[in-house]
Amino acid sequence: GAVVSQHPSWVICKSGTSVKIECRSLDFQATTMFWYRQFPKQSLMLMATSNEGSKATYEQGVEKDKFLINHASLTLSTLTVTSAHPEDSSFYICSAPTGPWANYGYTFGSGTRLTVV
Amino acid sequence: AQRVTQPEKLLSVFKGAPVELKCNYSYSGSPELFWYVQYSRQRLQLLLRHISRESIKGFTADLNKGETSFHLKKPFAQEEDSAMYYCALSRGNQGGKLIFGQGTELSVKP
Repeated sequence: GAVVSQHPSWVICKSGTSVKIECRSLDFQATTMFWYRQFPKQSLMLMATSNEGSKATYEQGVEKDKFLINHASLTLSTLTVTSAHPEDSSFYICSAPTGPWANYGYTFGSGTRLTVV
Repeated sequence: AQRVTQPEKLLSVFKGAPVELKCNYSYSGSPELFWYVQYSRQRLQLLLRHISRESIKGFTADLNKGETSFHLKKPFAQEEDSAMYYCALSRGNQGGKLIFGQGTELSVKP
């Protein structure tokens, strides 16, 4: 079935540095990728929607200059956390619809645990 | 605005007992509703979608448009059902973003 491969699964970085998270769609083309943030035992909060070849759409309250999203190809979307701070520590998850309509379902990456020290 | 509410943060039942995880939504159009499950240390995975009216792992969910609910039910809970369950909503037929509820942790005790 459709799989989204997300890397790295965990990363520790120093405050002020940048971290890039990659999500690749395997065996299907992801024209859209959704990026979520999840706090422990809490819901997934949608951060932004990336579309191949165009600018990402950010949800209200999400800083687009801090969370840079690039979707340069049909199989790769990246999220870069720039100038990371401890409050950016979280679990980041990507997701892509596996068909042209929402009712085909969405497949999720395995998530990236970011810890900023 | 679209919103999904799961009123219970934690639901604890004994093995063999019936279980119902509540989900209510608000959306002015015709939504697509889903249940996703996240087992310990695993990625989120699709459990059910209302449009297919299926039963997966003994779970069913019926969309009640009058009550704007999509509760997840299972007549006899198993220990392996212990996980986080998320109800989610998407705008119909547009491949749109998923809006998640807060999640309910189901704990099935032996």
